[in-house]
Amino acid sequence: EIVLTQSPATLSLSPGERATLSCRASQSVSSYLAWYQQKPGQAPRLLIYDTSNRATGIPARFRGSGSGTDFTLTINSLEPEDFAVYYCQQRSNFLTFGGGTEVEIK
Amino acid sequence: QVQLQESGPGLVKPSQTLSLTCTVSGGSISSGDYYWGWIRQHPGKGLEWIGHIYYSGSTYYNPSLKSRVTISVDTSQNQFSLNLSSVTAADTAVYYCARYTYFGSGTYFDYWGQGTLVTVSS
Repeated sequence: EIVLTQSPATLSLSPGERATLSCRASQSVSSYLAWYQQKPGQAPRLLIYDTSNRATGIPARFRGSGSGTDFTLTINSLEPEDFAVYYCQQRSNFLTFGGGTEVEIK
Repeated sequence: QVQLQESGPGLVKPSQTLSLTCTVSGGSISSGDYYWGWIRQHPGKGLEWIGHIYYSGSTYYNPSLKSRVTISVDTSQNQFSLNLSSVTAADTAVYYCARYTYFGSGTYFDYWGQGTLVTVSS
């Protein structure tokens, strides 16, 4: 099983700041990595697929990058609606999710 | 717009079988472009993939749950279902159904149901 480790667990930022979230895989997942956003009481929403492609309707301030075992989700200029929990997910070997990073308002 | 809706008991007794159904609207479950999956989330925790199914009946399960999981599809009703046997309190979670879509390189969950809380308790 490929383990995805997300860091930090919590990120405390103010609106307008940049958020940088990390996802590290225990072995290479090639580019088969996605990012999801989840708000309290809601289902996750697909943000980024195949490392760097934004899903339909996702604003350009969300940017994914990386390859192999190290991946990053960058949110430029945080909007109030961006404060949420973010999960990475790989589908290279079966399917696993990371433990999540909460982006909270500072 | 595709919509998914989970249904089933919110309370299941230990050792019994958890059974949930996902009804898909706004699109055909028989479309060859998609798989249909189940994911769960323990209270206050992260996401765990349970498994997914193709309309033809091909299934893919999380190895850690495989011995207890059965996912089936009913194309005539545009539904797919989850059975999880021999449940314990550790199976208490919000269960989501979702569409698993091929995006050109990888496959990812692009449409989700709202989720349903299933509690295992006597």
